[in-house]
This record gives sequence, structure tokens and C-alpha cells, in this order.
Amino acid sequence: SYVLTQPPSVSVAPGQTTSVTCRGNNIGRKNVHWYQQKPGQAPVLVVYDDSDRPSGIPERFSGSNSGNTATLTISRVEAGDEADYYCQVWDSSSDHWVFGGGTKLTVL
Amino acid sequence: QVQLVQSGAEVKKPGASVKVSCKVSGYTFSDYYIHWVRQAPGQGLEWMGWINPKSVTTNYAQNFQGRVSMTRDTSISTAYMELSGLRSDDTAVYYCARQGHCSSTRCQKYFQYWGQGTLVIVSS
Repeated sequence: SYVLTQPPSVSVAPGQTTSVTCRGNNIGRKNVHWYQQKPGQAPVLVVYDDSDRPSGIPERFSGSNSGNTATLTISRVEAGDEADYYCQVWDSSSDHWVFGGGTKLTVL
Repeated sequence: QVQLVQSGAEVKKPGASVKVSCKVSGYTFSDYYIHWVRQAPGQGLEWMGWINPKSVTTNYAQNFQGRVSMTRDTSISTAYMELSGLRSDDTAVYYCARQGHCSSTRCQKYFQYWGQGTLVIVSS
């Protein structure tokens, strides 16, 4: 089955830019989606199809995908961005959906 | 607006079954796949499977094959997820989520709308 690997944690100071990576075999050939989840809440879609943003998501959230790595970039980080972030793809070979293990973003 | 409202928390004994409901509103129920995703305490998201409310076809993750059943009642725009043979490691929050739009040629493979989650505790 397809595996997505994320770093367990990332730290960043307010106002800085940070990236969360998601690694998978030839992930650049897939569409990658990103979710933000705050404690006690359901996940929220922040980036879909590698780099598109749903309405209401700030432009500070952006995504890219190439080779074996997809990246969620958050610029001008705010305290309210502190959350867990999950990448997700659809594995066409199994017709199954796959999540990465999640990355906890801490705003210092 | 699109809403997915799930049933309340459940406490079950090992070996029992649990059935969680997900009532949708704000769109045509049959037009979008419903997925189920669970999250054990302090853990990540785990995809369980989907149901196509129109055709009633289902697709389950390997980890749940033989233990999970996803059904729906179109008359009340509600999807259900039943998990049997419960174990302590099935203790988790269970979410329903609506997949994006599917046309005749392409499906959006992400979840823009989620239920609020249902906590299922399995304990003797």
C-alpha cells in the first residue's frame, strides 16, 4: 500500500515562513491535499490538488508537489496556525485514500 | 450550507458492534460519496472506506475488511458506519466526510466537508 511520510513536528516563530513536507514514492504524479486540525476539532481542508486553496483559506497557505515530495508552506505564521497538518492522496492502484502521519506545527 | 451532523458518543464493550450515523443537509445526498475516517487518541487520521449513496457500492480499507459495513438511507439523507468485533484499540473519534464532486470524467479526491466526529469508547 502507498505510504506518506511526514515529520512529526515543526517549530516556527511568529511572522516567519515554515514548510511541512510529505514524502511518497513518485508523489509528484498524484494530487496532494492538505488538512489543518486543531485540538478537539474536525480537520479543515487548506490546500487541494497540490496548490489550490478553498475559499476562505488565507493566501499565506500554499502548496507544491514534485518528485517524491509535496510541501505545504505557511508564510507570515500566526499563533492561530498552531495545529496538526495532514497530507492526503488517492492511491489509484488500490482505490484507497491515504493520509500522512501528521505534523504538529508549534508557533514559538 | 453543507452540513454533516453525526450521532452522539458511544461506550461499548469488547466484542460488541457500534453504528454511527451521519445526517447531511445543504446538498443532494446521492450526488457525493461519503467517507469514514477515524482518529485514535493522540494519533493520526486513518481512512476506513467510502459509500456511494447513489449506487450503494462501497470500498473498505484493508484494515477493516470483514468488520465494517457502510450503508445509507436516502429518505433521510443519512449515511451509517457499523463496526463489529470491537476491540480496545477501536477507541477513537469517527468522522464522516464528503468527497468532492465527481463528473463523468473526473472525481475530486479530497474532503471539503466533515462531520463533527463521534467518540466511540471500547471498554470492559
